[in-house]
Amino acid sequence: DTAVSQTPKYLVTQMGNDKSIKCEQNLGHDTMYWYKQDSKKFLKIMFSYNNKELIINETVPNRFSPKSPDKAHLNLHINSLELGDSAVYFCASSQDNGRVDYEQYFGPGTRLTVT
Amino acid sequence: DQQVKQNSPSLSVQEGRISILNCDYTNSMFDYFLWYKKYPAEGPTFLISISSIKDKNEDGRFTVFLNKSAKHLSLHIVPSQPGDSAVYFCAATYNTGKLIFGQGTTLQVKP
Repeated sequence: DTAVSQTPKYLVTQMGNDKSIKCEQNLGHDTMYWYKQDSKKFLKIMFSYNNKELIINETVPNRFSPKSPDKAHLNLHINSLELGDSAVYFCASSQDNGRVDYEQYFGPGTRLTVT
Repeated sequence: DQQVKQNSPSLSVQEGRISILNCDYTNSMFDYFLWYKKYPAEGPTFLISISSIKDKNEDGRFTVFLNKSAKHLSLHIVPSQPGDSAVYFCAATYNTGKLIFGQGTTLQVKP
């Protein structure tokens, strides 16, 4: 059983389109995250949700909107895609936000390519 | 401004020898540090962590050392195995749940 799953694994789309990436965790965790790994390989946090409530919102364009229908799901919707949005997006979950002894579990990533 | 830095993009060692991966940080507020391992086309997986109240934590072949005065931590893998070949990320946090990652070091262990 996959603990943190993301769909799709690969996404190729044109500039200006709107797309969504879905994430689900079956670990019973309270907190979920979205990270972006850019071309320089840095992993940077974008958002964090704890029990469906937005906890962390880094400096991310408002074209990016996370949606958490329940605590097992955190989807990422991106409007008006730009070339610079091309990256690998990772979803992660952890037991409790702020409890650093609970490490984060990552999904396999979604490689987004904007042409 | 990159608060966590891994200055060696790659490292190659012989099987059975020690691998030492290094990480430097600038924010003295960080009080918890983690190492993640990542294989191609997979997400990072947690490896080992250390609290700032300790200077060493060991788990099997993996040991993390923390030098707070130098704002430096290192991961030692002994003995190194070919299956250890992966990208290793150092991460730091100060109890906000927000992990700040380094850019990773690619380790290649040669048989």
